[in-house]
Amino acid sequence: QSALTQPPSVSGSPGQSVTISCTGTSSDVGSYNRVSWYQQPPGTVPKLMIYEVSNRPSGVPDRFSGSKSGNTASLTISGLQAEDEADYYCSSYTSSTTYVFGTGTKVTVL
Amino acid sequence: QVQLQQSGPGLVKPSQTLSLTCAISGDSVSTNSAGWHWIRQSPSRGLEWLGRTYYRSKWYKDYALSMKSRVTISADTSENQLSLQLISVTPEDTAVYYCARNTGWAFGSWGQGTLVTVSS
Repeated sequence: QSALTQPPSVSGSPGQSVTISCTGTSSDVGSYNRVSWYQQPPGTVPKLMIYEVSNRPSGVPDRFSGSKSGNTASLTISGLQAEDEADYYCSSYTSSTTYVFGTGTKVTVL
Repeated sequence: QVQLQQSGPGLVKPSQTLSLTCAISGDSVSTNSAGWHWIRQSPSRGLEWLGRTYYRSKWYKDYALSMKSRVTISADTSENQLSLQLISVTPEDTAVYYCARNTGWAFGSWGQGTLVTVSS
């Protein structure tokens, strides 16, 4: 199972929007609405930000939103804030009853 | 509030077995509504899902294809904990190892992470 493909880095100024893509295949992202997103500032444990493509857990700001089209899922951060600077990872359930993570994206707030 | 507390050695010699445990509080390892996973992270490989176990009237296990021949995940219901065994380790198995709980299809709770270094 190959890792899902994410851009290595994205950046934006405070207040801007950034979007991170997560490209898989018809055996994972394209097959199920079982994509999740995680935020990981340096030295910390990953934190769930989005589950089942577009749902936010309690406590996650509504600046974070998720979507999916075909084999590609996306995470959008609107109104970028300094505290959003972190690594972000997507994950998907697969048709082999396993899970796969994305390659990770570093978000830099300029 | 589910809490996952990991324990285990931080240094393992090449060719030996890596063993970690994850003590669960706030939930039961044999719940019908969650699964229990091991995930690792290294600079070279990023986040890598290793496998899971879950109970739905009986126990089920799934493993990453690349790890299937070397990894065993099991649940101890008497201690309410999860364990990981990885045999025949090499320096490439050096990573931070996490246990995690999923409800639905996402990992909502994570252990604190254990850095395991494989070195002689």
